[in-house]
Amino acid sequence: EAQVTQNPRYLITVTGKKLTVTCSQNMNHEYMSWYRQDPGLGLRQIYYSMNVEVTDKGDVPEGYKVSRKEKRNFPLILESPSPNQTSLYFCASSSSLAGGYEQYFGPGTRLTVT
Amino acid sequence: QKEVEQDPGPLSVPEGAIVSLNCTYSNSAFQYFMWYRQYSRKGPELLMYTYSSGNKEDGRFTAQVDKSSKYISLFIRDSQPSDSATYLCAMSLQGAQKLVFGQGTRLTINP
Repeated sequence: EAQVTQNPRYLITVTGKKLTVTCSQNMNHEYMSWYRQDPGLGLRQIYYSMNVEVTDKGDVPEGYKVSRKEKRNFPLILESPSPNQTSLYFCASSSSLAGGYEQYFGPGTRLTVT
Repeated sequence: QKEVEQDPGPLSVPEGAIVSLNCTYSNSAFQYFMWYRQYSRKGPELLMYTYSSGNKEDGRFTAQVDKSSKYISLFIRDSQPSDSATYLCAMSLQGAQKLVFGQGTRLTINP
C-alpha cells in the first residue's frame, strides 16, 4: 500500500530534550516536506526537500533541522524543543513527474513540549 | 495580512445543500491552486487542483479560480454527511514546492 508513515504518532517531552520525528514514504517520490498545523494558523511549511541531499527552508524553519540522506526518509529534528513547538506535525511527499502539486500526507504526529 | 485568507467557519448545512467555500490571496504570482480535504485525526488529501484561471469539475465538486480578483472557490453539490471535514485551500508558484495553505474551513453536513 502506497503510504507516508510517521513515528511516533504522539509524543510528550520536556523543554530542551532533543527529539526526532521520523518520516518514510514508499512511493519513490522525489519531493518531501514537513508542516506544522496550529489552530487559527492552518498548515505552515517548515522545510522541504527536492531530492536526496537537497533541502530548503519553508515559512517557519526556526528551531528545526532536517536531513535527506535517503530518498524514502526525511526525519525532522528538534535539537532543543520549546513549548511553542507544541503542535500537530505532518510529513508529505509528492512526485516530480506529476509536478509535485499532489502531496500525500502522513497521519500526523502530535507533539507536546512541557 | 496573511498571504492566503480563508474563513475558518464552522459552516453547517443540511444534506443536499450546495456548499460554497472560498479563499482570497494577495500574491498575484500564484499559478497553481489546490483544495485539500482533511477528516478528523487524519492528514489532508488532495481533492482538486487547477492551473491559472478557470473552472474544473470532478463529480459533485467544482473548483473556480478568478485571478483578476485573487479569489478561488470550491462548490460541493448535493452535499452528503460524508463531506463533513475541514477544507483547506493551497497555492503555489509555478514549479515551486512551497505550498501556502489557508487556515481551513470546518464543514458539517447535517443528515
